[in-house]
Amino acid sequence: AQSVTQLDSHVSVSEGTPVLLRCNYSSSYSPSLFWYVQHPNKGLQLLLKYTSAATLVKGINGFEAEFKKSETSFHLTKPSAHMSDAAEYFCVVSAGYSGGGADGLTFGKGTHLIIQP
Amino acid sequence: DSGVTQTPKHLITATGQRVTLRCSPRSGDLSVYWYQQSLDQGLQFLIQYYNGEERAKGNILERFSAQQFPDLHSELNLSSLELGDSALYFCASSAPGLGPNTGELFFGEGSRLTVL
Repeated sequence: AQSVTQLDSHVSVSEGTPVLLRCNYSSSYSPSLFWYVQHPNKGLQLLLKYTSAATLVKGINGFEAEFKKSETSFHLTKPSAHMSDAAEYFCVVSAGYSGGGADGLTFGKGTHLIIQP
Repeated sequence: DSGVTQTPKHLITATGQRVTLRCSPRSGDLSVYWYQQSLDQGLQFLIQYYNGEERAKGNILERFSAQQFPDLHSELNLSSLELGDSALYFCASSAPGLGPNTGELFFGEGSRLTVL
C-alpha cells in the first residue's frame, strides 16, 4: 500500500521569494516520485521525477526536489517565485516498477500556490 | 501543448442522460488513461488501456465504460448521469515502453462536464 500527503492545501508567497511545497509519502516498495503542475484550465504537466537515481532532482522552470528516504519526504522548492508559477501542484507516488499499471500511481490532493505581487 | 487532444472541452447535460468523451493520444503512444478531477475527491484514476486492451482499473463506476479503438483513440462513456458526476475528466497518454510509474504521463486539457 502507498499514500501521499501534501501538507499544505494553499501556499502564498511574494514574487521573488523562495517556494516550498511539502510532500510526505509512504510506500511498501522503493518508490518513484513525481511532481506535476496544473495551470488554470490546463492539463497536468510533469515538473520533475525521482526514480532511484540522484536524490536531488532538477525539473523545469527552476524547480527542484530532494528525495529524503529517512524523512519519507519529497518537498518541492524554487529559489525565487515568479507570477507564472501560480498553479496547482500535485505530488505523486508510485510503486516504482516498470510496466506497472496506472492503478499503481497515487496522487496527492494538491497544493494551490499563490504568488503575491 | 501536450499533444493529447480531448473533445468536447465543455459539456452541459441533464441528470439521467448519457455522454461520450473522446481522447486522441500523442502520436505513437499506445497507452491511454482516464482520470476524474473534482473538488471533493481530487484526481481519481478511472481506467487505463494499452493498445486496445484494458490494462488497469481504478475507481470507475459501473455506469461508466471506456474503450480504445484500433486507431488508438479512446472514448469514455458516462450514462445515467447524476449531479455528482459533474467534474473535469482528463485523458493522458504515455510513451511506448514507459509505464506511468517510471515515465511521464502527458495530459490533455480535459473535458468539463456539468450535470444539471
